[in-house]
Amino acid sequence: DTAVSQTPKYLVTQMGNDKSIKCEQNLGHDTMYWYKQDSKKFLKIMFSYNNKELIINETVPNRFSPKSPDKAHLNLHINSLELGDSAVYFCASSQDERDSGNTIYFGEGSWLTVV
Amino acid sequence: GIQVEQSPPDLILQEGANSTLRCNFSDSVNNLQWFHQNPWGQLINLFYIPSGTKQNGRLSATTVATERYSLLYISSSQTTDSGVYFCAFGISGAGSYQLTFGKGTKLSVIP
Repeated sequence: DTAVSQTPKYLVTQMGNDKSIKCEQNLGHDTMYWYKQDSKKFLKIMFSYNNKELIINETVPNRFSPKSPDKAHLNLHINSLELGDSAVYFCASSQDERDSGNTIYFGEGSWLTVV
Repeated sequence: GIQVEQSPPDLILQEGANSTLRCNFSDSVNNLQWFHQNPWGQLINLFYIPSGTKQNGRLSATTVATERYSLLYISSSQTTDSGVYFCAFGISGAGSYQLTFGKGTKLSVIP
């Protein structure tokens, strides 16, 4: 079973559309994340979320919003897509902060192309 | 914020060669990790190495926290080692654990 799974793996859409990327983890972790990897392979945290708090990277436009129906899911909604949103989006999960830090698991990524 | 610098940015190796990848930090960090992103995009956690040395097969990592750097050694490289290697440090707080990544070293191992 895949620990962290994302769908869709590939998404091509037009500017101005609204789209969602789904993420599910079956590890029983408390915290989930979204990371963005740009065309230069630079990885950057977008959100982290557990049942207590949503932490948003201040550089993320408010067109991006995470939605968590339950602890095992953290979906990413993007409104009014722009060309610059084209990137690979990685979902991840981890146990709480008291662990060693070696417990972050990444999904396989969702390749978003905005045309 | 703390800056992360990785070197070299690109590296081409003949299969069987050894290599050392470096990660420098502008300030002390408590949690350092190394990741490998394979050519298919999958991110794999290699080491959690806040200090000291760890080994896993042909890979080993050393972090000298007082000197603010970490090294990843790859011995007897194989074509399957190709990909991008990232170091990252983690910041804990408010029930989450956020990673800040370096820009990566792109490794190409040729037969």
